[in-house]
Amino acid sequence: NAGVMQNPRHLVRRRGQEARLRCSPMKGHSHVYWYRQLPEEGLKFMVYLQKENIIDESGMPKERFSAEFPKEGPSILRIQQVVRGDSAAYFCASSPNRGRAYEQYFGPGTRLTVT
Amino acid sequence: GENVEQHPSTLSVQEGDSAVIKCTYSDSASNYFPWYKQELGKGPQLIIDIRSNVGEKKDQRIAVTLNKTAKHFSLHITETQPEDSAVYFCAPDMRFGAGTRLTVKP
Repeated sequence: NAGVMQNPRHLVRRRGQEARLRCSPMKGHSHVYWYRQLPEEGLKFMVYLQKENIIDESGMPKERFSAEFPKEGPSILRIQQVVRGDSAAYFCASSPNRGRAYEQYFGPGTRLTVT
Repeated sequence: GENVEQHPSTLSVQEGDSAVIKCTYSDSASNYFPWYKQELGKGPQLIIDIRSNVGEKKDQRIAVTLNKTAKHFSLHITETQPEDSAVYFCAPDMRFGAGTRLTVKP
């Protein structure tokens, strides 16, 4: 059973460009979570999605950031008009059960660098 | 919001010694208490978890103890090995602490 997959693993964007990060959950998991991690810090929750639904986006910045989890295909975290402060590692996790009070399995992350 | 603190922030032990990391939280409604291990350049890996109706859980060299009244839970690693060196995060209800960097010296 393949684990959570994320691509690309590394992404370099210039200020003002768009970044698209992809996440394929573990087989059988229909709940996806996105987190951001700055160097030497813990993970900060951004958004929780089920297929075709955003359940909780309380950690998502109000502007430039969006997420989706379509019926077919991976979940996408999209950052428009990137700025240097967006440079971070972005992790996706999936779980088989609803809500944040259940075990989540993480992917290897996408390291975004904004130049 | 939830306030999660880990202590210590760094911990260095000799191989074979035990290591204990403590996590305190503020939300008394929390009911899921996992510990994650993160190695350099990798995603966090769930190593052990406990729910609020259980006081202690053990899995080989790793154990977690929960004190709901005092709102803290701890990670215990016995007979530490160099490969235990990593950053460990507590995450009550998936709200992450800042992490503890554990170094096990051979």
